[in-house]
Amino acid sequence: SQQGEEDPQALSIQEGENATMNCSYKTSINNLQWYRQNSGRGLVHLILIRSNEREKHSGRLRVTLDTSKKSSSLLITASRAADTASYFCATVSFQGAQKLVFGQGTRLTINP
Amino acid sequence: EAGVVQSPRYKIIEKKQPVAFWCNPISGHNTLYWYLQNLGQGPELLIRYENEEAVDDSQLPKDRFSAERLKGVDSTLKIQPAELGDSAVYLCASSTSFSQGTQETQYFGPGTRLLVL
Repeated sequence: SQQGEEDPQALSIQEGENATMNCSYKTSINNLQWYRQNSGRGLVHLILIRSNEREKHSGRLRVTLDTSKKSSSLLITASRAADTASYFCATVSFQGAQKLVFGQGTRLTINP
Repeated sequence: EAGVVQSPRYKIIEKKQPVAFWCNPISGHNTLYWYLQNLGQGPELLIRYENEEAVDDSQLPKDRFSAERLKGVDSTLKIQPAELGDSAVYLCASSTSFSQGTQETQYFGPGTRLLVL
């Protein structure tokens, strides 16, 4: 079973614009992670945010976490064609020792 | 540093045939995971190993799926017999374990894409 729900399921924007993807989850978490998956490839870890953190930055990535709403967002600024991929959020619960539970993903397309 | 290696990358078989997938994790990673990813979905954990021990196999359909990690390094995932619904991508991932320190980031292989006809 998958805990996270990403929104939107698909997003298409122009190069240079910002892309925002949202993730909602159901149970209490220890941390939340975002992964990227290029077509036909494995997943690549992007960023991890802990339950006691509210915002985190890594390069052009900004992640927020609202534990009261059980939601997170991933912002990619100044998007590039190479950012075209599927993006997944994954949660780690307190009980599940390093068990990642993935959402369904957002398919992001950056148009040149 | 080599990443997680999986083979084969693609496999086409007829239903009721057996199939096996192989994974070599990142050197030094004690924890190994097998995931199933259906088209348009996120990965779902099948089994997690800490060294040779399967510590979480609750999602592994044990009637037809089996896995082993005999020496605590490489791992094999087997399906016998395969069914049409097994068509999916099988991903292997590895990470450090609690005993080694931080166990938070998982490193994924490219996956094996299985098509059952």
